[in-house]
Amino acid sequence: QQQVKQSPQSLIVQKGGISIINCAYENTAFDYFPWYQQFPGKGPALLIAIRPDVSEKKEGRFTISFNKSAKQFSLHIMDSQPGDSATYFCAASMNTGFQKLVFGTGTRLLVSP
Amino acid sequence: KAGVTQTPRYLIKTRGQQVTLSCSPISGHRSVSWYQQTPGQGLQFLFEYFSETQRNKGNFPGRFSGRQFSNSRSEMNVSTLELGDSALYLCASSPRAGSTNEKLFFGSGTQLSVL
Repeated sequence: QQQVKQSPQSLIVQKGGISIINCAYENTAFDYFPWYQQFPGKGPALLIAIRPDVSEKKEGRFTISFNKSAKQFSLHIMDSQPGDSATYFCAASMNTGFQKLVFGTGTRLLVSP
Repeated sequence: KAGVTQTPRYLIKTRGQQVTLSCSPISGHRSVSWYQQTPGQGLQFLFEYFSETQRNKGNFPGRFSGRQFSNSRSEMNVSTLELGDSALYLCASSPRAGSTNEKLFFGSGTQLSVL
């Protein structure tokens, strides 16, 4: 119930294309869903986050789509660039008053020039 | 403003030894969390500290422990190291505790190799 399932494990997209990464969860107590981006040798950095009271959030080329009934959410990267090549993690947390993120297993994205 | 600083960057230990990792949060941040990252398990929550108190602990054995000092700096300790403890240990800080919607700022981690 605490798991967040992420797919695909790896993704190759051509420059200018759309990258789509999907995540699913079981625990309906989750109420915060961030996406983190990690470059080699660096720690994860928050990219964008959404709460379940909205179905979509867009920040620049990055969009989160959220389907509460299906318990799924996804990250769309529009006009993907080689600089977007990184590992992406979805995560979820509950408003229990404690800081604890449950992470997906990660998607390694490669954007080919 | 300096980011989250973790030291050392790399560490090699042998089975049975113990290790201490250090984390200095962003100035003004009072909450520090630790995560273990491995290729197989991904990122897993270890524990969270706020005001020198452990507020939450993940599903790890008692060999994993931590503490936080009055200046918010944190250390984590792993005793009786096992091969499976080889991982990237990440520290994250946030301005305050009590809200899971807080943005976490991660350090670059300490890469621990157990031989």
